[in-house]
Amino acid sequence: DSGVTQTPKHLITATGQRVTLRCSPRSGDLSVYWYQQSLDQGLQFLIQYYNGEERAKGNILERFSAQQFPDLHSELNLSSLELGDSALYFCASSLYLTGSTGELFFGEGSRLTVL
Amino acid sequence: AQSVTQPDIHITVSEGASLELRCNYSYGATPYLFWYVQSPGQGLQLLLKYFSGDTLVQGIKGFEAEFKRSQSSFNLRKPSVHWSDAAEYFCAALKTSYDKVIFGPGTSLSVIP
Repeated sequence: DSGVTQTPKHLITATGQRVTLRCSPRSGDLSVYWYQQSLDQGLQFLIQYYNGEERAKGNILERFSAQQFPDLHSELNLSSLELGDSALYFCASSLYLTGSTGELFFGEGSRLTVL
Repeated sequence: AQSVTQPDIHITVSEGASLELRCNYSYGATPYLFWYVQSPGQGLQLLLKYFSGDTLVQGIKGFEAEFKRSQSSFNLRKPSVHWSDAAEYFCAALKTSYDKVIFGPGTSLSVIP
């Protein structure tokens, strides 16, 4: 158990809909990262937050947004969903910005299926 | 552009055989390097990491990796594979303290009893 909790574990929805994925980082971790894993794109970095502030952005679509709350949990919002958004979405956390240890602690992921 | 490549998409080995998974990176300077493992239905777990110093790094579960600057490689090895090692293995790199971790495409390992 990594200590990172993601909900929901599975989600099935229709095209055009909006969903919210939630992540609770390990106790004490300040950084939260979101990754998308799909068969054709592999593991793609979406966005990083550190202590409530956005620190880095990757290949995140404009239809997607995220935030980190004062209690350090994070939410990833996916809107106007398309079939291609079907993927496994991982949240990871680390105590600091990754350079200090380089280790990310991953949750078990939220599997999104868009029909 | 920064990138991490894993030439082997899928590897099958017999239980008890040795294993080597390949990883190459393309960065302006030597990044921090990592190997993560993803078991079925699980998130990723760090196996080992290289920051500097000794080029042979020991990790958990009996894995080791060797950094070779001349080849821009960081290959993962295990002398004797167990059936429980069947999983997806990701090589990853981080350029600086404030950069994002970039993952390779992964290598899927199957173990034959």
